[in-house]
Amino acid sequence: EVQLVESGGGLVRPGGSLKLSCAASGFTFSNYGMIWVRQAPGKGLEWVASISSASSFRKYADSVKGRVIISRDNAKDSLFLEVDSLRDDDTAVYFCAREQTTVTTDWYCDLWGRGTLVTVSS
Amino acid sequence: QSVLTQPPSASGTPGQRVTISCSGRNSNIGSNSVSWYQHLPGTAPRLLIYRNGQRPSGVPDRFSGSKSGTSASLAISGLRSEDEADYFCAAWDDTLNGRVFGGGTKVTVL
Repeated sequence: EVQLVESGGGLVRPGGSLKLSCAASGFTFSNYGMIWVRQAPGKGLEWVASISSASSFRKYADSVKGRVIISRDNAKDSLFLEVDSLRDDDTAVYFCAREQTTVTTDWYCDLWGRGTLVTVSS
Repeated sequence: QSVLTQPPSASGTPGQRVTISCSGRNSNIGSNSVSWYQHLPGTAPRLLIYRNGQRPSGVPDRFSGSKSGTSASLAISGLRSEDEADYFCAAWDDTLNGRVFGGGTKVTVL
């Protein structure tokens, strides 16, 4: 089955860190760029980070730049997101998604995971 | 505040047609294609429309998308109870040099 499954979320204290994982299956993971997107409670979606198929290019949203590292292991069909110095406003469901194309005029994601909840609270 | 603007809610009775708008700028919708997604909380978002109006295989033709200028819209015709979900739009933004999303529209089937 073609799917993405996130894991690693949980309750973290402010200032703490977390590493999220996204396991891909059913397709050739190494052929696709991947992104992380988050949705805070009651809010819309926010792109967090992206990584190209061979990890050559990585990009981060300004809201997380300097606190987040996106990485991938194509041999293990896995995507990761390390988040440091967690703040209350990092509380969100974090989704990983597959980019069908990175051509900016034609960009879209054709496969998403169910998400993993990260709660930052003391 | 999402970069792309959607109404927070929309509703209709079974069989009706519901339209959801997505408003942006020249730097995003005005220059690039729009995609639409359906999301039921607790499940994986599902691609409904890409390239403004293209449907992936498996998406019913009750769902249609269009774009004009800096706005796009998603129409759901023949509304069904299973269409009750959140819908959000997305596009690339040339000024921000990144991916942007709408705030989402919750569709209720009355």
